Amino acid sequence: QKEVEQNSGPLSVPEGAIASLNCTYSDRGSQSFFWYRQYSGKSPELIMSIYSNGDKEDGRFTAQLNKASQYVSLLIRDSQPSDSATYLCAPSRRETSGSRLTFGEGTQLTVNP
Amino acid sequence: GAVVSQHPSRVICKSGTSVKIECRSLDFQATTMFWYRQFPKKSLMLMATSNEGSKATYEQGVEKDKFLINHASLTLSTLTVTSAHPEDSSFYICSARGERGGGYEQYFGPGTRLTVT
Repeated sequence: QKEVEQNSGPLSVPEGAIASLNCTYSDRGSQSFFWYRQYSGKSPELIMSIYSNGDKEDGRFTAQLNKASQYVSLLIRDSQPSDSATYLCAPSRRETSGSRLTFGEGTQLTVNP
Repeated sequence: GAVVSQHPSRVICKSGTSVKIECRSLDFQATTMFWYRQFPKKSLMLMATSNEGSKATYEQGVEKDKFLINHASLTLSTLTVTSAHPEDSSFYICSARGERGGGYEQYFGPGTRLTVT
């Protein structure tokens, strides 16, 4: 079993729709969860962090965390073509700077105009 | 988000030469920096973790004598690719992690595209 599993996609949604990206993780000790966006040929960009169960909203993005189910998701409302990118889920075990992130392989999202 | 700079953004070098890549955290103290490489359409691969003032911890399969990492201060880490060969051509990305905004978030530099001819 992979440490972090994401649907590889590609996930294709029409402009204005809600894009739903899912991630499951195997390490029950994970305490911090991050979503990164990576455009082709560019480095990853942190877009959301979540530490507690429940929802966290930031603009058009909502992260949802359920530690009991070992599941974290990212919803993108009113999807725009500029949201087309690969989204990486990254849990981290301990809340210290030295804790490494474990990246999923990413979900490729395409938003069609 | 926090700013992490990386220099150079692109470098072409001849086989057998060495290349140094700098990574700086500009607006927070990065107690830990990470170095990744990424091949086209592939996942990020962690190469090493470095803490300020101590030796880097390399991932399995990464040659520490080939990829020299120095983390001299809380804002600067360098990666030197020694005796580069064409198979070292890749996208190298650093990231910095430190306490910011109540949590330990990790921010990536823009990356360095290395081509060895």
